[in-house]
Amino acid sequence: DAGVIQSPRHEVTEMGQEVTLRCKPISGHNSLFWYRQTMMRGLELLIYFNNNVPIDDSGMPEDRFSAKMPNASFSTLKIQPSEPRDSAVYFCASSLLRDTSATNEKLFFGSGTQLSVL
Amino acid sequence: EDQVTQSPEALRLQEGESSSLNCSYTVSGLRGLFWYRQDPGKGPEFLFTLYSAGEEKEKERLKATLTKKESFLHITAPKPEDSATYLCAVPPYNQGGKLIFGQGTELSVKP
Repeated sequence: DAGVIQSPRHEVTEMGQEVTLRCKPISGHNSLFWYRQTMMRGLELLIYFNNNVPIDDSGMPEDRFSAKMPNASFSTLKIQPSEPRDSAVYFCASSLLRDTSATNEKLFFGSGTQLSVL
Repeated sequence: EDQVTQSPEALRLQEGESSSLNCSYTVSGLRGLFWYRQDPGKGPEFLFTLYSAGEEKEKERLKATLTKKESFLHITAPKPEDSATYLCAVPPYNQGGKLIFGQGTELSVKP
């Protein structure tokens, strides 16, 4: 298996522009997670899906952020409009979760998207 | 509030110099403590899961232990290839599927 695949690896954009990050989870995994990593705040969970349904989006910073999972093999995280404070590394991770109350046994992370908003 | 604190923030060792990393946690009803390794430019990679106080897990030069308040990652005779950031994480109380990560310890092992 190729693992979790994210694109693009790097994104440089100007303030106010729309940014779309993409993720392909590991085949057979039923849960998908979007994390953001910064030096100041570390690794923060933004949103997670189970069986393509958003379960918890309490970490999404504000309405400028939105995420979708139209099918089991694809998810997007969109920022519109982008701001310099959104600059960070965004990770997608997937796992096989028995149910949404279960402990996540193991997350598999992609290589991340380095976002720079100028 | 559920919380994970790691120390030290950074650790520099000489090759062969053993040491330990600390992960302190406050969470109601611990349902597991996880250790991950993160190399520069990559996503975290799973290492261990510990579920109960007294439990130990080993992998090559790494050994993870767990008490009721903290976990240690012991590194015995480290090599330069052990250089990475080590993250620990716990599931928050009553919120299945989620993990709260600590800030990590950046380990550098010099030859």
